[in-house]
Amino acid sequence: NAGVTQTPKFQVLKTGQSMTLQCAQDMNHNSMYWYRQDPGMGLRLIYYSASEGTTDKGEVPNGYNVSRLNKREFSLRLESAAPSQTSVYFCASRPTGGRTDTQYFGPGTRLTVL
Amino acid sequence: KQEVTQIPAALSVPEGENLVLNCSFTDSAIYNLQWFRQDPGKGLTSLLLIQSSQREQTSGRLNASLDKSSGRSTLYIAASQPGDSATYLCAVGHNDMRFGAGTRLTVKP
Repeated sequence: NAGVTQTPKFQVLKTGQSMTLQCAQDMNHNSMYWYRQDPGMGLRLIYYSASEGTTDKGEVPNGYNVSRLNKREFSLRLESAAPSQTSVYFCASRPTGGRTDTQYFGPGTRLTVL
Repeated sequence: KQEVTQIPAALSVPEGENLVLNCSFTDSAIYNLQWFRQDPGKGLTSLLLIQSSQREQTSGRLNASLDKSSGRSTLYIAASQPGDSATYLCAVGHNDMRFGAGTRLTVKP
């Protein structure tokens, strides 16, 4: 199993450009998550999808949209990138959302907005 | 709003030392508390998960404790090794997890 994969690994954008970060998991997990991590800070939840067909806002959703394309894939879109969105973005998945289920993380996408 | 704090931000110890990492949270009505490890340039790996009804969890040289009433958790690492060098993050919650900023641990040979 590849686990959780994210593409691209690195990306540089200019202010105002748009892009989509892709995430896929091959573990048949129900729940998927998008986080951002800024220097000196912990991860902050952007959006999550508890199950296929549902999405919910996290702590910092402004400026982002998500799509749960199917059970495997959960994409994060920046419609008009801003320098404040420079960050490392992590995708994660969880089996069923049960009490003892942990999240499995991808390797991250490092995004720079100039 | 749940806030999670980890002290110290960085810690350097000689190999073989036992050490404790601290995590505090402001709202004691937590669902779960987890400890994660993050290596440079990598994603997070779950180490231990403590349910709100539990007091501690152990895995090998790692022991995590939870005291909800005081809003604290500790991660105890026994007989530290250079391979333990990483950033350790704690997080509380379930779907809407809140993370601390982490403790960057360096174990010197």
